[in-house]
Amino acid sequence: GAVVSQHPSWVICKSGTSVKIECRSLDFQATTMFWYRQFPKQSLMLMATSNEGSKATYEQGVEKDKFLINHASLTLSTLTVTSAHPEDSSFYICSARDWGVGVNTEAFFGQGTRLTVV
Amino acid sequence: LAKTTQPISMDSYEGQEVNITCSHNNIATNDYITWYQQFPSQGPRFIIQGYKTKVTNEVASLFIPADRKSSTLSLPRVSLSDTAVYYCLVGDQTGGSYIPTFGRGTSLIVHP
Repeated sequence: GAVVSQHPSWVICKSGTSVKIECRSLDFQATTMFWYRQFPKQSLMLMATSNEGSKATYEQGVEKDKFLINHASLTLSTLTVTSAHPEDSSFYICSARDWGVGVNTEAFFGQGTRLTVV
Repeated sequence: LAKTTQPISMDSYEGQEVNITCSHNNIATNDYITWYQQFPSQGPRFIIQGYKTKVTNEVASLFIPADRKSSTLSLPRVSLSDTAVYYCLVGDQTGGSYIPTFGRGTSLIVHP
């Protein structure tokens, strides 16, 4: 199946700094990628939909100025957590679909990034 | 968007067959049913997908009744490594607006 790769797998940063997380579709082009956040023992919560070449669509309650999303190419989307605070510590996951395979293809997920803000 | 309901948790033993049922009463005509498995600190992994009747692959089977208002993921002869959270997703994957949306999932614990 298609491969979606995230980098880094984990990161520790100081409060007030910014952290960038990359999401790459390794063997297909993804016009749309999705970013999720998952707190311990909870489900994945959609943060935003990232569209190549245009602005991301954020879910209600997600601060677009804090969680900057850039989808500059068909294989790369980035999520930047700006001025991170301890409450931003979470597991961040990206997802993408390979539209070239077929209309009902499933979504593939990255391995996730564990962010810890100290 | 069709809402899904699953049991919060299930327990089983090695070697047993496990069936996890997902309810999706307001599933739409174009909606597909997709199941994912997630281990701690990992992204979800695709297990199986179906539209109607029965689908089988090398790891699981998916049973969907005629009214499609529910579906059952069947894991044959589970092992300890099948301990994970299982999510049922329902959505119109034929359109460009499909967004994978997760419910609470079912936490499966397999005991020795």
